[in-house]
Amino acid sequence: RKEVEQDPGPFNVPEGATVAFNCTYSNSASQSFFWYRQDCRKEPKLLMSVYSSGNEDGRFTAQLNRASQYISLLIRDSKLSDSATYLCVVNPSNTGKLIFGQGTTLQVKP
Amino acid sequence: DGGITQSPKYLFRKEGQNVTLSCEQNLNHDAMYWYRQDPGQGLRLIYYSQIVNDFQKGDIAEGYSVSREKKESFPLTVTSAQKNPTAFYLCASSSLEGVEETQYFGPGTRLLVL
Repeated sequence: RKEVEQDPGPFNVPEGATVAFNCTYSNSASQSFFWYRQDCRKEPKLLMSVYSSGNEDGRFTAQLNRASQYISLLIRDSKLSDSATYLCVVNPSNTGKLIFGQGTTLQVKP
Repeated sequence: DGGITQSPKYLFRKEGQNVTLSCEQNLNHDAMYWYRQDPGQGLRLIYYSQIVNDFQKGDIAEGYSVSREKKESFPLTVTSAQKNPTAFYLCASSSLEGVEETQYFGPGTRLLVL
């Protein structure tokens, strides 16, 4: 089993749609969690950190379920500019070594 | 401007040649990392360093070497022992203070074998 697993997609959705991505992780002792966004042929950029209580940033909401060991990202009112690959990232310890999922690709269509 | 720079943007390697990828940061971050990304795959850790003059192997260190002589710089050498070097190489840095381990990435270097 991979340490961090994501559905690679692609998810093809119309503008304005709501889309959700899930990510599962194998190490129950994992300490911190992140979602990164990566545009084609570019570097990953931090989208948001995921806190135990869940957090929201505009149209984006991240949730953490420690009991089931999954993290979710919800995007509301999708924009064309949201088209990208979304990377689920887990820190399984305090070493600073992050584990990256393979990414979920989102295509928002007009 | 604070940030991470990588050079060159594109690099071509001939058979049997060693090449060095540059990574510099002015964020005063203690930790620096090198990742490799292949098409359709996640990032894989090559080497990382949490302090000057010290570094550790990641998951795929074979065929690579690094040095950390200065806090700001963490160059990666792809040696001739790396038989499949074509990939997108990403350098990252992070502060190790507190519980924030967010890693910030440079723009990457694409390495191609001639």
